[in-house]
Amino acid sequence: ELKVEQNPLFLSMQEGKNYTIYCNYSTTSDRLYWYRQDPGKSLESLFVLLSNGAVKQEGRLMASLDTKARLSTLHITAAVHDLSATYFCAVDSGGLNEKLTFGTGTRLTIIP
Amino acid sequence: EPEVTQTPSHQVTQMGQEVILRCVPISNHLYFYWYRQILGQKVEFLVSFYNNEISEKSEIFDDQFSVERPDGSNFTLKIRSTKLEDSAMYFCASSSGRFYEQYFGPGTRLTVT
Repeated sequence: ELKVEQNPLFLSMQEGKNYTIYCNYSTTSDRLYWYRQDPGKSLESLFVLLSNGAVKQEGRLMASLDTKARLSTLHITAAVHDLSATYFCAVDSGGLNEKLTFGTGTRLTIIP
Repeated sequence: EPEVTQTPSHQVTQMGQEVILRCVPISNHLYFYWYRQILGQKVEFLVSFYNNEISEKSEIFDDQFSVERPDGSNFTLKIRSTKLEDSAMYFCASSSGRFYEQYFGPGTRLTVT
């Protein structure tokens, strides 16, 4: 059974600080996805990481993938209140257009 | 920008009733999915659909569930006899088949009373 684990589950941090969310998974897939979800809203795609060593950055968020360690990180730099949301990582099963298996999510709260 | 749409946004139904949740995927996409999220929990895969047939389904997707693409634009999820535990947010997603990214709709919140 494919497992995707995120930590921490809850993260409260001050504006301006840096932090990292971790995503461990058990599949051999080389593809890892990060989504953002605001309360009561849908899932917004943030990053698609397609290979070992992939690094993508958008604003204050940077995601990386280490397929050997089966680990992805989402790094937040100089957090601002607008980044408060729940962040999910997800993996597919290795084939094309297969289902996504999501992690438990990390609820991030940025405190002024 | 093309997007996945879903209707209704909120559906309240009584236990044992049938519900149909509707989705309009992005127009040139070929792969369609339903996921659900029980309040406060993670997103769970229900079913994937390609070329007018189910590609894969989860253990959650039992005989009470069915999917259909009736007219080439809509993609529906039917629950024949709803249970209290079916209360959740249901998300439709689609992908083009050329890239791996799945695009999610805004969701339908189903409340079974």
